[in-house]
Amino acid sequence: NAGVTQTPKFQVLKTGQSMTLQCAQDMNHEYMSWYRQDPGMGLRLIHYSVGAGITDQGEVPNGYNVSRSTTEDFPLRLLSAAPSQTSVYFCASSERRPSTDTQYFGPGTRLTVL
Amino acid sequence: GENVEQHPSTLSVQEGDSAVIKCTYSDSASNYFPWYKQELGKRPQLIIDIRSNVGEKKDQRIAVTLNKTAKHFSLHITETQPEDSAVYFCAASRQRGGDYKLSFGAGTTVTVRA
Repeated sequence: NAGVTQTPKFQVLKTGQSMTLQCAQDMNHEYMSWYRQDPGMGLRLIHYSVGAGITDQGEVPNGYNVSRSTTEDFPLRLLSAAPSQTSVYFCASSERRPSTDTQYFGPGTRLTVL
Repeated sequence: GENVEQHPSTLSVQEGDSAVIKCTYSDSASNYFPWYKQELGKRPQLIIDIRSNVGEKKDQRIAVTLNKTAKHFSLHITETQPEDSAVYFCAASRQRGGDYKLSFGAGTTVTVRA
């Protein structure tokens, strides 16, 4: 199993550009989520999904969209990039809910918005 | 929502000494408390977790204790080694109903001096 994969590893955007961060898992996990990691702020939940076709907002959802058309994929879209979105983004998955099951993280995407 | 505070933010220990990281949480309904380790440039990985029906859990050189009355839990690393140098995150979640969010602390950077 590849586990949780993310692309790209690095990305530089200009303010106002849009892009999609890709996340996929091959463990047939129901739950998937996106976090952003900023210095001194830990991991903050952006959006999450409890299954195909179901998504919900996390702690810091503004400026991001998600969709979950398949169990495997959970892309994160930045609609109009801003410098405040410069961060490291991690996708994670767990078999069911994170309150009972281990979360497996992807390798991360380092995003810089100029 | 849940608020998790983690202390200290940085910790430097001599190889062979012990390291202790403390976290407090705000939601008395929280009952699942995992700890994640993130090595430099890598993804977070679960190292140990504890549920509210247990006061202490050990796994080789690491242990976690939980005080539900005081709403705090701690990570203890004994006989520290250079490979223990990393950022450690505590987290808290409720294992009940429709709760699907894991709240993380801000992280502790542990440096083990040779």
